[in-house]
Amino acid sequence: GENVEQHPSTLSVQEGDSAVIKCTYSDSASNYFPWYKQELGKGPQLIIDIRSNVGEKKDQRIAVTLNKTAKHFSLHITETQPEDSAVYFCAASKAQAGTALIFGKGTTLSVSS
Amino acid sequence: DAGVIQSPRHEVTEMGQEVTLRCKPISGHDYLFWYRQTMMRGLELLIYFNNNVPIDDSGMPEDRFSAKMPNASFSTLKIQPSEPRDSAVYFCASSLLGGGPAFFGQGTRLTVV
Repeated sequence: GENVEQHPSTLSVQEGDSAVIKCTYSDSASNYFPWYKQELGKGPQLIIDIRSNVGEKKDQRIAVTLNKTAKHFSLHITETQPEDSAVYFCAASKAQAGTALIFGKGTTLSVSS
Repeated sequence: DAGVIQSPRHEVTEMGQEVTLRCKPISGHDYLFWYRQTMMRGLELLIYFNNNVPIDDSGMPEDRFSAKMPNASFSTLKIQPSEPRDSAVYFCASSLLGGGPAFFGQGTRLTVV
C-alpha cells in the first residue's frame, strides 16, 4: 500500500521568512496530493491540493509543487505569519480508484515574530 | 452544512469499558473515513466506507475495534473492551469522491485510564 514520508518533523522560522515542507510517496499510481493544516484542538483542514496532471499550484502565499518522476511534492509558504503556526500534513491517494488519503506524520511549524 | 459532526468531543473511560464514538458526515458525501491520531503514529486510517459499505478495514488494529454505518448520515466506531493504549484522538472525515478532498470533524479525544 501507499506510504508517505514527510520532512522535517519540526520547523521554526522567523516571521516573513519562507517555509518549505517536503513529502515523498511510494505508490506511483497515486494522483491526488492534498495538504492539511491542523490547529490545536481542531481537525485537519484542507488548505491546498494538487493533482498529478499539474506540476505547480499557487494560492496567495502558499504553493505546492509535484515531481511525479521523483515521487515527491512540497508545500511552500512565503512571508510567514504567526498565524501560520500549526501542524501541517501531506497526503496521497488514487482519486479514480476511490481510495482513502494516506497521511505523512506531520510537520510542526512555528513562526516567531 | 455544519460540516462533519463528531460526538462526544471528549471521553474518559476506565479500562475494560465499551466506548462508542459517533459521526455524522456532510450530507451528500458518499465516503466516510475513520482516522486515529497519536504523537507516535500520526494520522492512521482505520476504516472507510463507500455508500455505507465498508471498503477497507485493514487499519483496524484489533478485533476489539468495530465500525458500522447503518445509513448515509451516521457512523459509529466502537471499542470493546477499551485499553489504555487506545487513548488517542479519533477523527471522522467525509468526502464526495473517494481519493478526493476529505473534510474532517473536530475529533473525539479518548482517554482510557
